Amino acid sequence: DGGITQSPKYLFRKEGQNVTLSCEQNLNHDAMYWYRQDPGQGLRLIYYSQIVNDFQKGDIAEGYSVSREKKESFPLTVTSAQKNPTAFYLCASSIASGGSYNEQFFGPGTRLTVL
Amino acid sequence: RKEVEQDPGPFNVPEGATVAFNCTYSNSASQSFFWYRQDCRKEPKLLMSVYSSGNEDGRFTAQLNRASQYISLLIRDSKLSDSATYLCVVNDGSARQLTFGSGTQLTVLP
Repeated sequence: DGGITQSPKYLFRKEGQNVTLSCEQNLNHDAMYWYRQDPGQGLRLIYYSQIVNDFQKGDIAEGYSVSREKKESFPLTVTSAQKNPTAFYLCASSIASGGSYNEQFFGPGTRLTVL
Repeated sequence: RKEVEQDPGPFNVPEGATVAFNCTYSNSASQSFFWYRQDCRKEPKLLMSVYSSGNEDGRFTAQLNRASQYISLLIRDSKLSDSATYLCVVNDGSARQLTFGSGTQLTVLP
């Protein structure tokens, strides 16, 4: 079955700790994205990657880092520099083709809570 | 001004009712438009793309008005299973990023 997986589903972190959220896709999509969603709000873009070994900051990249060493994987690290990390984190992917835009497909999300 | 604005609702309608959601966007260069559905504590899922000529998928109809920078979603004959938050989504026209509205919450009542 093709799709996007995220792990873990729930994550608890103590203040001052870094944590890494996993995102894997087997859809052969070139582009991958990380979003954050807070209660009652829309999704906000953290980072995105259009190709392996390349990524760009989104609107709220401060306190986060990513890597894209493989096409299938786009892990997100929430660092201790992120002041308010408790949120629902969503990973997405899409086909990236020149001159056109395609819809994004989402993983099931990770709920991060800082204790 | 928000880039994508939606009425947050909630919209509470009886089964069988027709309900319409509206969305406005600020970037005139936007090229692609979508409606996503998000169930409580779940990920968003694509409901339908919105085309310039308008498009219909069963009970759902989407319309785009580029001159007014306005998108709409019409749901006919509402079902209990339509209860969800509906997200208006617009691309930024250049960098292949999507901008999400905050969503409109719909509850269909028996």
